[in-house]
Amino acid sequence: QKEVEQNSGPLSVPEGAIASLNCTYSDRGSQSFFWYRQYSGKSPELIMSIYSNGDKEDGRFTAQLNKASQYVSLLIRDSQPSDSATYLCAVRWGSARQLTFGSGTQLTVLP
Amino acid sequence: GAVVSQHPSRVICKSGTSVKIECRSLDFQATTMFWYRQFPKQSLMLMATSNEGSKATYEQGVEKDKFLINHASLTLSTLTVTSAHPEDSSFYICSAYMASDSPLHFGNGTRLTVT
Repeated sequence: QKEVEQNSGPLSVPEGAIASLNCTYSDRGSQSFFWYRQYSGKSPELIMSIYSNGDKEDGRFTAQLNKASQYVSLLIRDSQPSDSATYLCAVRWGSARQLTFGSGTQLTVLP
Repeated sequence: GAVVSQHPSRVICKSGTSVKIECRSLDFQATTMFWYRQFPKQSLMLMATSNEGSKATYEQGVEKDKFLINHASLTLSTLTVTSAHPEDSSFYICSAYMASDSPLHFGNGTRLTVT
């Protein structure tokens, strides 16, 4: 069974710090990886997508993928209180069209 | 960018009634749409895959006679919760891809409360 695992948290960091969110997945056949942010009561919004090993940076966000170790992470630099949300890791396996989501990590950035 | 519109955003209905939720892709055609459900403090669970012009594919444990899905056009999928019960109260979210390997884009979700 294909699984995506995240530490549910809550994770608290002070404003301005780096928040590090981790995700592991169960199957080496996965090809596409996504990080979504979900504010309470809202639907998920895409932050980053990553498809190949290494780092991908977009503004304050950096996604890191290591397929050999089967993990993907998200770093948020200069964390802001507005970054406080639940962060969902999602994986798409092979030719499948649907995504499998982790349970999410709740992040709180303390002012 | 891709936009998925979902309506209504919130609905309250009485037990035993049916509720229809619409999901539209506004600036692209979506042959496939996905319906998710999310209970409080839990992650998204895929309910079904909606396929334009054909029957939906339901995930294990999801009653297809209770959750009717219609995908009659390339821009519209509907989810009808039939004979709703309080345990059906949840956050329902539709989603679609703009292209085959693009990220999944979500509608704003529908908060269903069954009294």
